[in-house]
Amino acid sequence: SAVISQKPSRDICQRGTSLTIQCQVDSQVTMMFWYRQQPGQSLTLIATANQGSEATYESGFVIDKFPISRPNLTFSTLTVSNMSPEDSSIYLCSVNTGRQAYNEQFFGPGTRLTVL
Amino acid sequence: AQSVSQHNHHVILSEAASLELGCNYSYGGTVNLFWYVQYPGQHLQLLLKYFSGDPLVKGIKGFEAEFIKSKFSFNLRKPSVQWSDTAEYFCAVNEVSNYQLIWGAGTKLIIKP
Repeated sequence: SAVISQKPSRDICQRGTSLTIQCQVDSQVTMMFWYRQQPGQSLTLIATANQGSEATYESGFVIDKFPISRPNLTFSTLTVSNMSPEDSSIYLCSVNTGRQAYNEQFFGPGTRLTVL
Repeated sequence: AQSVSQHNHHVILSEAASLELGCNYSYGGTVNLFWYVQYPGQHLQLLLKYFSGDPLVKGIKGFEAEFIKSKFSFNLRKPSVQWSDTAEYFCAVNEVSNYQLIWGAGTKLIIKP
């Protein structure tokens, strides 16, 4: 299993600013993911955070808007840049501690972002 | 592209009622299937999963799900719900070798005491 913490837990930000969300895991993991959950909608994968290399972004998400860092096997950050009200969402960090795609993903508590 | 559909966005039941939440996916290949649950104020957590073998899988808290390949379905069941089952339930799918999960929209379940 894995215990994941995220900071901040919530924030209210002004349009045009940026927010960096931190994800800390209590053990070393290979696979870390960042998701977005917009109000009333399901989870959408933003990117896979790769240790030592650039993140792998899903269709519709770009590095300039959502830069990601992964300096080691227990930590990652997601920045939401040049925010607009459409970025208001819950952002979730998750990890897969196993080596198989059928292994459980563990989730952080999420960061609730409101952009005014 | 893969997609996952959950038939009901909101379900309200009384305690002791039986539960079945529908989940269908669209993908022709071999998949892994998951049900996750999010209790109020808590993290998403795994309820159960199927990746091979017996298509009837049992999870935590008395939940089970049946994988019916011909129907592309993975419905979640519980014979008798409790008030503490109030939560949001998500069905998710990935290809056998791909970590990326595709998620359903979720079903909010409310159990009346």
